[in-house]
Amino acid sequence: QVQLVQSGAEVKKPGASVKVSCKASGFTFSTYYIHWVRQAPGQGLEYMGIIKPSGGSTRYAQKFQGRVTMSTDTSTSAVFMELSSLRSEDMAMYYCARDMSLRGVNYVFDIWGQGTMVTVSS
Amino acid sequence: EIVLTQSPGTLSLSPGERATLSCRASQSVSNYLAWYQHKPGQAPRLLIYGASSRATGIPDRFSGSGSGTDFTLTISSLEPEDFAVYHCQQYGSSLLTFGGGTKVEIK
Repeated sequence: QVQLVQSGAEVKKPGASVKVSCKASGFTFSTYYIHWVRQAPGQGLEYMGIIKPSGGSTRYAQKFQGRVTMSTDTSTSAVFMELSSLRSEDMAMYYCARDMSLRGVNYVFDIWGQGTMVTVSS
Repeated sequence: EIVLTQSPGTLSLSPGERATLSCRASQSVSNYLAWYQHKPGQAPRLLIYGASSRATGIPDRFSGSGSGTDFTLTISSLEPEDFAVYHCQQYGSSLLTFGGGTKVEIK
């Protein structure tokens, strides 16, 4: 079964960092780009960036430049998204999503993880 | 940044009725528009890409149309499982953006 399975919910204090994992199964991990998208409570979806699982090249949305780091572990077919200097506005559901293009990028997401809720509270 | 405005915010309909959802872009995105269905506690599901192409496994009661700045998602006859939030997304610019969503609720 083609799926992305994310790590569990996190509670963090302001100023801390959070690292969310996204494990792929049912498809060849190295051939699809993975994106990260978040949704704050009551808000729309917000694009964060993209990682190429093989090689680990990344591109981040400008809003998150300097605070987000995406990485990959091909041995476990997992990608990671770390967000630092957390503030209350970062409280959101974070999703990883597969690009539908095989070996390319078209920024359409055909498989999504179940989401990871990150709560930021003192 | 291209802003996507979805309307209405909420659509109250009965099963069997036709749903028409709108997504308007602040500037042209050509046909680089996708639609997703999102139910509470679930992952979003890709319905439409390229403005009018149905994703794999999507029933033909879902259809997309439009180009440039005005797009429509139509559900020809609502099934009970179609009540959800629908998001549009443009990928015609370097910063892809999403609309605020339309909730389709049971009347």
